[in-house]
Parts: sequence; C-alpha cells; structure tokens
Amino acid sequence: SQTIHQWPATLVQPVGSPLSLECTVEGTSNPNLYWYRQAAGRGLQLLFYSVGIGQISSEVPQNLSASRPQDRQFILSSKKLLLSDSGFYLCAWSAIGRENYGYTFGSGTRLTVV
Amino acid sequence: EDQVTQSPEALRLQEGESSSLNCSYTVSGLRGLFWYRQDPGKGPEFLFTLYSAGEEKEKERLKATLTKKESFLHITAPKPEDSATYLCAVSRAGGSYIPTFGRGTSLIVHP
Repeated sequence: SQTIHQWPATLVQPVGSPLSLECTVEGTSNPNLYWYRQAAGRGLQLLFYSVGIGQISSEVPQNLSASRPQDRQFILSSKKLLLSDSGFYLCAWSAIGRENYGYTFGSGTRLTVV
Repeated sequence: EDQVTQSPEALRLQEGESSSLNCSYTVSGLRGLFWYRQDPGKGPEFLFTLYSAGEEKEKERLKATLTKKESFLHITAPKPEDSATYLCAVSRAGGSYIPTFGRGTSLIVHP
C-alpha cells in the first residue's frame, strides 16, 4: 500500500533562519507531488506541485522553493524565513491520471517562525 | 477564477442531531467536486468525488450530493467521532486539474 511520510511534525525557527521540510512517498512510482500551506481560518493554499523529477511549478511567488531530487521525494526550502511563513505545511500526492480519486496528504508540519 | 465558499464556518450539534454542510462553487466546467475530512493537527483525508449534478455518494453517516451550483454533505445521526473540519474543493474541466479548496466547516458533535 502507498504511504506518505512528512517530517518534522513541529518546528520552531527564528526569523532569518533556513528551512528544509521533507516528504517521501512509498509504494508507488512517478506520483504527482504537492506542497500546501494552511493558515488559521484559511483554506489550503497550493505552493508548489511537481509532475515529475526536476519539474516544479510554483503557484505563489515568495521566499520558498521546492525541489524533487528523487522520484518520490519532495523538499520545501527557504534560505531566510519570515514571520509570515508560519503555518501548517502539508505534502500530498496523487497518481497520474487518477487525480479525481483525491489526494493523499501527509500528517503535516506545524512551523512557527519567532 | 474558480471559487469555493463553505457554510457555515462552524457548526455545533448534539449527538444524533442530523444536519447539512454547504459548499457553493463557481467553476467554468466542473471536472470534479471533492470532500475531505481533516482532524485537528492532521492532514485532510479524502472522502468523496462527485462529477455531475444529481450524483450522490455515501459513507457511513455521511452523504454527499451535488447540484450545478452547490454540494451538500449530509450528516445523519452524528457521533462525537464525526467532529472534524470538512473541506470542499473543485477542479475545472479542460484546465489544470489542481483543485481549489474552500476554507472548511468546523463540526463539533457533543455527546
């Protein structure tokens, strides 16, 4: 069966520090991968999505970046965090051609920038 | 631009008190409408996909229905374990399959 792992679960980082959040998927190959951010009282905001290794599409211009170094690995990074980067970050995957079967989300990372 | 509006923002029910959550949407051609359940501090969990007006899907105490402008998530005789935030999302036919999410309805069921 397919599983998605996301870590860390919680993170407190000072303003200006770097960030690296990692997500891996097991049990499938060539998945579509997504990074979302969820702020309190707001909907899910798509940050990046990837339909293949090395292919990253950005939805929101900001100080975050994403990389997909391996087929089932998706990394969210920042060189210098801002206070506004605080939020709940979620990784998700879907099978190519089966997007209507819904996304499978990871357990999320609660990021607090102080 | 695709839009999804969910109401109410929050709903408190007594155990066994049936009710409905609403998801109004605007999209130029619906590819699919999705319902997710999200427990506090966790990622959303996929529930249903609806494709066309008149379609219904059920899972335990939940039934989702779809019209050309909105979807309802009916909760029959809810239990405390149904407490969660319910998210609605739509994707557009002929364009990017990436769904647009609503802000969700927070449901609390009291014993």
